Amino acid sequence: AQSVTQLDSQVPVFEEAPVELRCNYSSSVSVYLFWYVQYPNQGLQLLLKYLSGSTLVKGINGFEAEFNKSQTSFHLRKPSVHISDTAEYFCAVSAGGTSYGKLTFGQGTILTVHP
Amino acid sequence: GAVVSQHPSRVICKSGTSVKIECRSLDFQATTMFWYRQFPKQSLMLMATSNEGSKATYEQGVEKDKFLINHASLTLSTLTVTSAHPEDSSFYICSAKYGGGELFFGEGSRLTVL
Repeated sequence: AQSVTQLDSQVPVFEEAPVELRCNYSSSVSVYLFWYVQYPNQGLQLLLKYLSGSTLVKGINGFEAEFNKSQTSFHLRKPSVHISDTAEYFCAVSAGGTSYGKLTFGQGTILTVHP
Repeated sequence: GAVVSQHPSRVICKSGTSVKIECRSLDFQATTMFWYRQFPKQSLMLMATSNEGSKATYEQGVEKDKFLINHASLTLSTLTVTSAHPEDSSFYICSAKYGGGELFFGEGSRLTVL
């Protein structure tokens, strides 16, 4: 089984400031890692994912994340945020094989970007 | 890009009635679809895995007789909440697995049971 912990439930930040949303996971097997964004009353949009290869993953809208196996972390970063980045962000993991796609989500982090 | 559509986006029903939510993959065939539930201000929880042509696999604690899942074709999975009660009010989201592993989420369906 897997579990995901998002260390911050809310992150307020000013526009054009950098931001980091923290995510730690626990699993007895190798996992794949994802970050999704959710706007109010909408579904999920994939920001980026780590399947294999380079541990630094670049996603859409200027976001990136780094997979750190030793620390079991997958923190999301953006060097300069915009008002439009205000949303809820979810970190998720999935095992591989036939279980791929069954996502375990963290509790979510609400990012609020202030002008 | 691939699109997954859910219908209805919002539904309000009376306690005791049944509600069906559809999840369609519009431009690809999805052999596997997943159903999640999201309570207000909470995260998403996997309810079940739906495979075309076979019975759904439910996660522990999810009542399979209450949440009926049917995956009758490669582009359609349905979730029926039977005899809905106020505690079933939630945001239900589906995802579809495409090919080697891309996952696409629907827009979600908000169910309110009065």
